[in-house]
Amino acid sequence: DTAVSQTPKYLVTQMGNDKSIKCEQNLGHDTMYWYKQDSKKFLKIMFSYNNKELIINETVPNRFSPKSPDKAHLNLHINSLELGDSAVYFCATGRGGMNTEAFFGQGTRLTVV
Amino acid sequence: SQELEQSPQSLIVQEGKNLTINCTSSKTLYGLYWYKQKYGEGLIFLMMLQKGGEEKSHEKITAKLDEKKQQSSLHITASQPSHAGIYLCGAYLSGGYQKVTFGTGTKLQVIP
Repeated sequence: DTAVSQTPKYLVTQMGNDKSIKCEQNLGHDTMYWYKQDSKKFLKIMFSYNNKELIINETVPNRFSPKSPDKAHLNLHINSLELGDSAVYFCATGRGGMNTEAFFGQGTRLTVV
Repeated sequence: SQELEQSPQSLIVQEGKNLTINCTSSKTLYGLYWYKQKYGEGLIFLMMLQKGGEEKSHEKITAKLDEKKQQSSLHITASQPSHAGIYLCGAYLSGGYQKVTFGTGTKLQVIP
């Protein structure tokens, strides 16, 4: 039973399309995150949600819109996809605070052609 | 420059050798984490350090956080091919408590 699951695992799409990545967690955590890992493997936070409320938006283009329908889900919708959006996107969850680790999903490899 | 720097960027070692990966910041590190990532997979949590001078070990991997809480090291003893992957340090930095900032990553290859 996967703790943090993302779908799809791979996504290949054309420029200009709109796509969504889904994330679900069964850990009961209050905090969920989206991270982007670029081709150099650098992992950078995009968004953080706590109890369905947006806490952090790290200057991400407004083509990216996270949506949290409930505490167990944080989906990422991307409009008008660009070549530079190609990356691996990771969903993560945590109990929040500095004394607990984050649990990561397997990642979604997005390729924009 | 990145807020959390790792060195080296990549490392190739012979099986059985020891190695060390460093993670350094100019800011204080709170809740320092080490993760491992295999190609095409998610991040696997290894260890968490919080107190200055803290040291933890799991199997052949030892992580330390210095007294000033600005540098952490990950040491692998008698490396094996199963240790290969990308190692990432992450931390809550002073002034950024609500997010974990990650280091630049270290790619480790272990040659049999």
